[in-house]
Amino acid sequence: GAGVSQSPRYKVTKRGQDVALRCDPISGHVSLYWYRQALGQGPEFLTYFNYEAQQDKSGLPNDRFSAERPEGSISTLTIQRTEQRDSAMYRCASSLSGRLAGADTQYFGPGTRLTVL
Amino acid sequence: GQNIDQPTEMTATEGAIVQINCTYQTSGFNGLFWYQQHAGEAPTFLSYNVLDGLEEKGRFSSFLSRSKGYSYLLLKELQMKDSASYLCAVSSGGYIPTFGRGTSLIVHP
Repeated sequence: GAGVSQSPRYKVTKRGQDVALRCDPISGHVSLYWYRQALGQGPEFLTYFNYEAQQDKSGLPNDRFSAERPEGSISTLTIQRTEQRDSAMYRCASSLSGRLAGADTQYFGPGTRLTVL
Repeated sequence: GQNIDQPTEMTATEGAIVQINCTYQTSGFNGLFWYQQHAGEAPTFLSYNVLDGLEEKGRFSSFLSRSKGYSYLLLKELQMKDSASYLCAVSSGGYIPTFGRGTSLIVHP
């Protein structure tokens, strides 16, 4: 595809359920990032990968959150035992080389709106 | 830690010029980004500054002063479609950019 895609676009779940959010980056992009964005706020970093290796997961709120990118392309962000405070827009971004220098910018996906009841 | 500050909201008139400021305090600096985000959509890249000075790109320009921890985004000949949130993001030692909360720009006729 031409851009970053995410699925599902909307997810409503009950508290205590597990959810898996998928990100399909731009083909050939080395780096993949996960962000969480609250309404009226900027994106908040969660974790990122270079190829299949998770380089930084310092932004994951707690151990209920995990992410993987097993083949260096598609990534899944999993939230276990969801809580109401997990409700947010979860965005994925990818960049060509991961250095974020010059034209190597991040391209964001449309996001998954997660609502935990 | 990092602190990025930008005004919450600004209004301007179609055809006018508007300047959106961003100040930052970071440990290390590798560059500053500006993104545009329309309501309900993904952020899209506008500009990147790593050296002091002005970078011009069509109707949009971005300025950086590293010594002052200051940047601004200048939008000229405003159009209604420029109504959006403008996000300032700073990349420091770890290269992962930290985003400000964004400035909501409202352009009215």
